Amino acid sequence: AQKITQTQPGMFVQEKEAVTLDCTYDTSDPSYGLFWYKQPSSGEMIFLIYQGSYDQQNATEGRYSLNFQKARKSANLVISASQLGDSAMYFCAMREGPRAAGNKLTFGGGTRVLVKP
Amino acid sequence: GAVVSQHPSWVICKSGTSVKIECRSLDFQATTMFWYRQFPKQSLMLMATSNEGSKATYEQGVEKDKFLINHASLTLSTLTVTSAHPEDSSFYICSALLAGGSDTQYFGPGTRLTVL
Repeated sequence: AQKITQTQPGMFVQEKEAVTLDCTYDTSDPSYGLFWYKQPSSGEMIFLIYQGSYDQQNATEGRYSLNFQKARKSANLVISASQLGDSAMYFCAMREGPRAAGNKLTFGGGTRVLVKP
Repeated sequence: GAVVSQHPSWVICKSGTSVKIECRSLDFQATTMFWYRQFPKQSLMLMATSNEGSKATYEQGVEKDKFLINHASLTLSTLTVTSAHPEDSSFYICSALLAGGSDTQYFGPGTRLTVL
């Protein structure tokens, strides 16, 4: 089974509107971390936001927020007030186990976002 | 903060030659770095985990004799693709682990390797 699933291969969003990128995960480990990265066409991977499995509140970083629903095993990324520069590939990733356990990340297949002016 | 550089950004080489890619954490020390490979329109695939002062840990299916990893200092890891062949052409991207807090991996800008 896929450990990280991003069901939306691509989506359009109107500039200034919000967009939600879906991510579901599969793990039996009670300790894990969830990350979102942005990959523009240049190729670099830009860290956006992190949610720990024991965090009580949803993470927020500027225009990015993470809708963490632990029981449903979902960690959707919400981008508010979309900008043209948000056009990129977005990857959800998971680290299973506590931080000392190796810190390897498993990535989802990604969602391509295109912001329309 | 948390800047990772990678050099070169692109390289073209002839089949049979070796290519070295450097990954540096510029403003933090990283005992652990990671090397990934990404094919066009696909996700990242972890190749190996590089630990400073010890041997790298390779993922299943990755040839350790072909992809040599050296993590000689707390800010530098190198990946050498030995006897490169056209099928090794890909986008190679490294990350450095910023320990503490969320233990986030910060990525370099990647290296595009083309083997002729």
